[in-house]
Amino acid sequence: QQPVQSPQAVILREGEDAVINCSSSKALYSVHWYRQKHGEAPVFLMILLKGGEQKGHEKISASFNEKKQQSSLYLTASQLSYSGTYFCGTERMGGGNKLTFGTGTQLKVEL
Amino acid sequence: DVKVTQSSRYLVKRTGEKVFLECVQDMDHENMFWYRQDPGLGLRLIYFSYDVKMKEKGDIPEGYSVSREKKERFSLILESASTNQTSMYLCASSPAPGDSYSTDTQYFGPGTRLTVL
Repeated sequence: QQPVQSPQAVILREGEDAVINCSSSKALYSVHWYRQKHGEAPVFLMILLKGGEQKGHEKISASFNEKKQQSSLYLTASQLSYSGTYFCGTERMGGGNKLTFGTGTQLKVEL
Repeated sequence: DVKVTQSSRYLVKRTGEKVFLECVQDMDHENMFWYRQDPGLGLRLIYFSYDVKMKEKGDIPEGYSVSREKKERFSLILESASTNQTSMYLCASSPAPGDSYSTDTQYFGPGTRLTVL
C-alpha cells in the first residue's frame, strides 16, 4: 500500500517555506526523499532512519515520527530550483531496501 | 558517481510486439529495480532482483517479466505489449543492505518513455 503524501500540489513565491508530509499505515524502518524535475530521473535528497535524528542540508530538512509512521520534508526560503515533484519512498521493517513510493507532491516556485 | 543507464529514452511499439527494456549500472550494486511511473500514481514497483538470476515480483508484475543474467544488467520484458503499458519506465539500483535494513538509497536511471500504439 502506497504511503499518502500531502499536499498533492503547492505553489510558492520565492523565499516562502513549505512542508510536505508522507504517512504510512505500516511500521517503517526508513523514509527516503527524492526530487524529480520534469523529464529527469528522481534525485535522492535524504534518508530518515528509524531511531535516527532529523536530517537536513542547507535549507531542506526532514523529520521522521516513528510513533505516527509519518515523515515531513521542510523547504525553507524556497528557490526557483526547488521546483519539481517530491516523492517519499518508505521501507518497511525487514524490507531489504525495497521502497514503496507515494504519489508525489508537485511544487512550483515562482518569482 | 553511480551511473544507471537505460537503453532508450523514447520507444514506440505496436500492440502485441515483444519489448525489451535494458538497464545497466556501473557500481557493482546487488539490487536492481524496475518501476513504472504514471501521472497521479507515482512510482510503482514492477519487479526487483537481489542477485544474478534472482527475481521477485513487485506490486504490479502482470504483463511483465525480467531477466538478470549478469550483475550489472537488468532487463524488463513485455511479452506482448498492450496500450495500457504506455508509460515511463524507470530502472534503479542499490547496494545490498549490510543486514536486514538499508542505510543506502536507490539510484535511478533517466527513464524510458514507452508508447504502445
